[in-house]
Amino acid sequence: SQTIHQWPATLVQPVGSPLSLECTVEGTSNPNLYWYRQAAGRGLQLLFYSVGIGQISSEVPQNLSASRPQDRQFILSSKKLLLSDSGFYLCAWSVLRQTLLGANVLTFGAGSRLTVL
Amino acid sequence: EDQVTQSPEALRLQEGESSSLNCSYTVSGLRGLFWYRQDPGKGPEFLFTLYSAGEEKEKERLKATLTKKESFLHITAPKPEDSATYLCAVQARNYGQNFVFGPGTRLSVLP
Repeated sequence: SQTIHQWPATLVQPVGSPLSLECTVEGTSNPNLYWYRQAAGRGLQLLFYSVGIGQISSEVPQNLSASRPQDRQFILSSKKLLLSDSGFYLCAWSVLRQTLLGANVLTFGAGSRLTVL
Repeated sequence: EDQVTQSPEALRLQEGESSSLNCSYTVSGLRGLFWYRQDPGKGPEFLFTLYSAGEEKEKERLKATLTKKESFLHITAPKPEDSATYLCAVQARNYGQNFVFGPGTRLSVLP
């Protein structure tokens, strides 16, 4: 069965420090991979998605970046964190191939809580 | 402009008091509408996918329905363990592999 791992679970970082959140998926190949951010009391904001190694699409301009060095690994990074980067970060995956009915289920990791002080 | 909205923002029910949550969407070429449950501090957990108007799906005390403009999540005789935030999301043809999420409904079921 497929599983998704995301770490670290919690992180407290000072303003201006770097960031690296990692996500790996097991039990599938060629997944679509996503990074979402969820601010307190708000909905999920899509940050980045990837349909293959080295292919990254950015949805929101900001000081964050994403990389996909391996098929099932997705990394969210920042060189210098801002206070506004605080939030709950979620990695997710879906199958690349379309189902017969045309929609793919998105499966989430457990999330990473980032607090920037 | 494509968007997904949910109402109410928050809902408090007594145990056993049935109700419905609403998800309204304005997208072209809907490929699927998804319902998720999210507990505090955790990632969303998949509940249902609905593909076309008129479709219904059930799981325990939950029943999801879909029309051309909205979806309802009906909760029958809820229990305190049903307390969570319920999110809906859509995938549409012009989104490619992306999903658009609504802001969620925060449900509290009191014993």
